[in-house]
Amino acid sequence: GQNIDQPTEMTATEGAIVQINCTYQTSGFNGLFWYQQHAGEAPTFLSYNVLDGLEEKGRFSSFLSRSKGYSYLLLKELQMKDSASYLCAVMDSNYQLIWGAGTKLIIKP
Amino acid sequence: GAVVSQHPSWVICKSGTSVKIECRSLDFQATTMFWYRQFPKQSLMLMATSNEGSKATYEQGVEKDKFLINHASLTLSTLTVTSAHPEDSSFYICSARSGGIQETQYFGPGTRLLVL
Repeated sequence: GQNIDQPTEMTATEGAIVQINCTYQTSGFNGLFWYQQHAGEAPTFLSYNVLDGLEEKGRFSSFLSRSKGYSYLLLKELQMKDSASYLCAVMDSNYQLIWGAGTKLIIKP
Repeated sequence: GAVVSQHPSWVICKSGTSVKIECRSLDFQATTMFWYRQFPKQSLMLMATSNEGSKATYEQGVEKDKFLINHASLTLSTLTVTSAHPEDSSFYICSARSGGIQETQYFGPGTRLLVL
């Protein structure tokens, strides 16, 4: 079966760095997406990785290792507004998005 | 760019009535639109995928006669919840994708439906 695993909840301190991991087992791979979802709102696109390596975009970076079926989202200089759920999604061989359950990130002052 | 709107953002209706939700891609042509449902504190659940001008493809367990989807143009898709019941109360979110199948999905702001 297809499976996306990410931690249910993480807590970090304002100004710090946090890494949210995502491991996947899917039938084929056509890219991995990270989305941010604030409570009560729809997801917003953060990043897309299809090749191995690190993609940096401001305070957020996303890493992919296809051989390990592993990705992480790195958030630097955490701000209170970064408190949200972070969703990992993998596009499989049928170009369908398989969604993780999301990681709720709590930022403390 | 890549803005998707949904209307209405909130709906409260009586049990047995039908509710239509619109999803529009404002600044791009969406060849494919997706409809999701999300219950509180749960993950997104894909309901159906629709391509412009063709019938929607429903996920297993989603009743196509209850959740009518129309993707009549490259910028508009509608979801109609027919004969809504309290268990249909949920957060309905659409997303749109332009061009190729590897293109990013952009989400609308969602519609919160409460059926009394």
